[in-house]
Amino acid sequence: GAGVSQTPSNKVTEKGKYVELRCDPISGHTALYWYRQSLGQGPEFLIYFQGTGAADDSGLPNDRFFAVRPEGSVSTLKIQRTERGDSAVYLCASSLGGLAGGQDEQFFGPGTRLTVL
Amino acid sequence: SQQGEEDPQALSIQEGENATMNCSYKTSINNLQWYRQNSGRGLVHLILIRSNEREKHSGRLRVTLDTSKKSSSLLITASRAADTASYFCATRETSGSRLTFGEGTQLTVNP
Repeated sequence: GAGVSQTPSNKVTEKGKYVELRCDPISGHTALYWYRQSLGQGPEFLIYFQGTGAADDSGLPNDRFFAVRPEGSVSTLKIQRTERGDSAVYLCASSLGGLAGGQDEQFFGPGTRLTVL
Repeated sequence: SQQGEEDPQALSIQEGENATMNCSYKTSINNLQWYRQNSGRGLVHLILIRSNEREKHSGRLRVTLDTSKKSSSLLITASRAADTASYFCATRETSGSRLTFGEGTQLTVNP
């Protein structure tokens, strides 16, 4: 596809359950980012991948959150033992990366709206 | 944590008027970017201005950056009803690759 895609678009789960959110970046983009956006707020950084490795995971709120990008393309954000406070829109973005590092434009996907009941 | 602070939080204008939104930040930056968001989903990149630039134009958009005051402004000229959206500034610090977003300005353009 031409843009960043995310699945599912909506996810409703119960407190304590495990969820996985998927992101397909733009083909050829080596940098991938996850952000979380609560209602009425700006997005907050969670984690940044350059290739397969997490170059910066300092935004992950706690050890219930984990993300992988095993082949340097698709990424999965995993949340264990979900809590009501995890409810938010989870946004993925990608950029060319490489020599430009994080200096270039980030292209965002439509997001996954997670609701924890 | 949020670095940028946008001002105003909400702005309502008539079609054809200009809209100006301001953003302040706290740390040294590599670049500052403005994004638009409709209905809480799908951020759209509008313009990127680097720390060594002072002004940039793209169509009806004009962005200024004052690194001495740690502030930026976004001007939308000849606004249209379709410009109604939330606008966010985001900074990339000199160290690291993350973007740090402000809380946004909700712009409403009345037809």
